[in-house]
Amino acid sequence: ETGVTQTPRHLVMGMTNKKSLKCEQHLGHNAMYWYKQSAKKPLELMFVYSLEERVENNSVPSRFSPECPNSSHLFLHLHTLQPEDSALYLCASSQDPGGGTRTGELFFGEGSRLTVL
Amino acid sequence: AQRVTQPEKLLSVFKGAPVELKCNYSYSGSPELFWYVQYSRQRLQLLLRHISRESIKGFTADLNKGETSFHLKKPFAQEEDSAMYYCALSVEYTGANSKLTFGKGITLSVRP
Repeated sequence: ETGVTQTPRHLVMGMTNKKSLKCEQHLGHNAMYWYKQSAKKPLELMFVYSLEERVENNSVPSRFSPECPNSSHLFLHLHTLQPEDSALYLCASSQDPGGGTRTGELFFGEGSRLTVL
Repeated sequence: AQRVTQPEKLLSVFKGAPVELKCNYSYSGSPELFWYVQYSRQRLQLLLRHISRESIKGFTADLNKGETSFHLKKPFAQEEDSAMYYCALSVEYTGANSKLTFGKGITLSVRP
């Protein structure tokens, strides 16, 4: 596998379920991201991890819980979600060269389509 | 807070026609702007960045700080350009450097 892979590709869950989305990057990058893509809305940044440390939590409800055990893996744990959380969740990675340089190049996965009933 | 506005949702042109996809931003600091593209059944990927001043697949984009715009242009559209295009803004940031704010995106449809 190359690039950024996300599993599962599709997930249907009830509001009381607990599930997790998984992301794996094979690019040797040091930063990983979760974005939410809803219909009629721009891509929303949820979480950013740089060197396995969370550096951004974009006012995301606590029912979404990220985990980054190492630089290649990122999880999004889901618990007691609401129907409005139904969306496409995109994982991305990038190589942060440091020193304030902004490359702007994110490598995206294909996304996990979540439906909350 | 920073914001990216793509005022149109859809642009439909004939093959060979010029294309301009509009993008405006609001940010008081020093922005860096990017265009991302998503072709059918493919993942979102970087198309070009303003700082490189490059032309990719015939597309160019100039950052106009006076008008706070970063419009994407191509003089002669091809059918294979049909895709979803997103404008994105990177702000000065002390965390992961590639934190991006995206616009809502525009669908470009090029008809034969």
